[in-house]
Amino acid sequence: IAGITQAPTSQILAAGRRMTLRCTQDMRHNAMYWYRQDLGLGLRLIHYSNTAGTTGKGEVPDGYSVSRANTDDFPLTLASAVPSQTSVYFCASSVKTGPNEKLFFGSGTQLSVL
Amino acid sequence: GQNIDQPTEMTATEGAIVQINCTYQTSGFNGLFWYQQHAGEAPTFLSYNVLDGLEEKGRFSSFLSRSKGYSYLLLKELQMKDSASYLCAVTDSNYQLIWGAGTKLIIKP
Repeated sequence: IAGITQAPTSQILAAGRRMTLRCTQDMRHNAMYWYRQDLGLGLRLIHYSNTAGTTGKGEVPDGYSVSRANTDDFPLTLASAVPSQTSVYFCASSVKTGPNEKLFFGSGTQLSVL
Repeated sequence: GQNIDQPTEMTATEGAIVQINCTYQTSGFNGLFWYQQHAGEAPTFLSYNVLDGLEEKGRFSSFLSRSKGYSYLLLKELQMKDSASYLCAVTDSNYQLIWGAGTKLIIKP
């Protein structure tokens, strides 16, 4: 089934460790996004990529980095995890960047930093 | 600042109608989305409004009033599977998507 695949599904991580969340899409969408979802808050954009080879910072980029070497993959790296990065992380994509572009989401990664 | 307001939680009865409201204050407006999110799952697209009025799509309808900064999602003939969170999101003048915290809808038999 076409869509977005995220891995791992869940992870418990010791503070200070490095972690990469994987995201792959097979819809040939140009734009991709990483969001975090915390209880009582709306989805918050961490980083985005309008097309392969470009990335940009979202609302809460500190402590995270991304790369977009090709159209399909958009990994998110936590260089040195901290407890405040405990959250559910969603990768999403859209055909292109635009005000009316609907997002397609992956199934999420539940990350706990202890 | 930019703000999206939705009720935190609502309860309705199977077979009934429920209206979930969303008010927004954003720097500019380029459209409003509704997404559905079942517990433990990813959000999925429901609707997009950019002009005033009502858009109907099966049992779900979405309304927009730009002058009032207001939208609602109307769900008819409620089914148990409609139990989910409903997320309102607005695209601002910079094409940034601003998300509300979501409304958890509980359907009772």
